[in-house]
Parts: sequence; structure tokens; C-alpha cells
Amino acid sequence: EADIYQTPRYLVIGTGKKITLECSQTMGHDKMYWYQQDPGMELHLIHYSYGVNSTEKGDLSSESTVSRIRTEHFPLTLESARPSHTSQYLCASSDWTSGSPDTQYFGPGTRLTVL
Amino acid sequence: QKEVEQDPGPLSVPEGAIVSLNCTYSNSAFQYFMWYRQYSRKGPELLMYTYSSGNKEDGRFTAQVDKSSKYISLFIRDSQPSDSATYLCAMSALQSGGGADGLTFGKGTHLIIQP
Repeated sequence: EADIYQTPRYLVIGTGKKITLECSQTMGHDKMYWYQQDPGMELHLIHYSYGVNSTEKGDLSSESTVSRIRTEHFPLTLESARPSHTSQYLCASSDWTSGSPDTQYFGPGTRLTVL
Repeated sequence: QKEVEQDPGPLSVPEGAIVSLNCTYSNSAFQYFMWYRQYSRKGPELLMYTYSSGNKEDGRFTAQVDKSSKYISLFIRDSQPSDSATYLCAMSALQSGGGADGLTFGKGTHLIIQP
């Protein structure tokens, strides 16, 4: 089982609040990702990182921001939550290196509801 | 047309049946093919991955890739109620530098194994 953790698992919050979703991994992986997943829909990549001090936007436009100050930690922040942000957020990490497949290991997810 | 197409189901079969789950894709650059299993309210877990064409077997699971048809399959033999989950296919292309980077996911097929 992959050693990647997300907190909180569930969060219900009011509109306009600032929230941070935590993600940590103990596998020493350089590459980390944040995905958004709605019921019955595919995973959408919103942010990723190649390593410390690296952050990139993914395919899905997002109002969230990320930081990568430590290898093991990749938090996602929403400055002002809105009902449209209600979704499941999945964090993943990968031991990808050049020439190898990008096999990603996922955390359990945070289910966010914005009222 | 989406790059990866996967029938969302639900697919309901009796216990002990052979299950066939499939994805089609349009990007001929895809070289790595993966299958993830996702239980309700959990993150996806990697089941298997294959490189290029051919078959790969792991216990009751067999992954098959037909690059000429741009079609991949996951077969589950002697299906069990514990196999009930959503199965997502994912694939990636080789970068020009030789490494694979990033995954494109299907929507997932919801599988139900009836006891």
C-alpha cells in the first residue's frame, strides 16, 4: 500500500473561507500531483510538481494554488472557497524518472463540500 | 473526441464470471498503459501496467494491449464480490527526451460482482 496521506478526509465549509488541503508522502518521490474528481467523471489534473520549488498548472483551470517547500509535502490552498469547488480532491506521487512509466500512487482523497 | 474512451457502466456480473473491461484511445503516441482500481470513497490504487503491446498476467488479472486497434483490456477471472469497484484505465506517451510524463485517464467503469 502506498504511503501517501491526505487530511482532512472530509471537509464542509462555508463560501468565502480559505482552506488548505494537506498531502504528504513518505516514499521520497519527487513528482506529486493534485487531481479533481467528480462522480462519474474522469480525473482532471489541476497541479503538479517535479520537486522542491517546482509547481505547474495542469489541464484543468483551477483557482487553487500549491506549494512545494519540502519533498514530502504538497499542500493545495483555496483562498476563497465557492460552491463550484465542491468535489473530491486526490493527491498522488510518482517515482517517475526519465525512461520509466509515470506510475502514480494516490492518497485516499479529500471530499470537499462548500455551502 | 476524448483521447481515452471508457464505458462508465455499471457492469453487473455474477460471482465467478470472467469480466472484460476495455478502453479505446486515439493518441498513437501512448506507450504505457495502466489499470487502477478505485473503491468507493478511496483513492485509485495501481493494479497493473504494461508497456507497448502484448499481455501481462498477475494472479486473476490479465492486461492486454492491442496498439494496432488502439484498444486495451483488463480481464478478471473468477470474479469475487470484493472486485466490485470502479476500474480506471490510464496511459502515457514517451516524451521526446525518452521519459514518460503524465497520465491520461478514462472515466472509469463501475463494476458490480453479484454474490
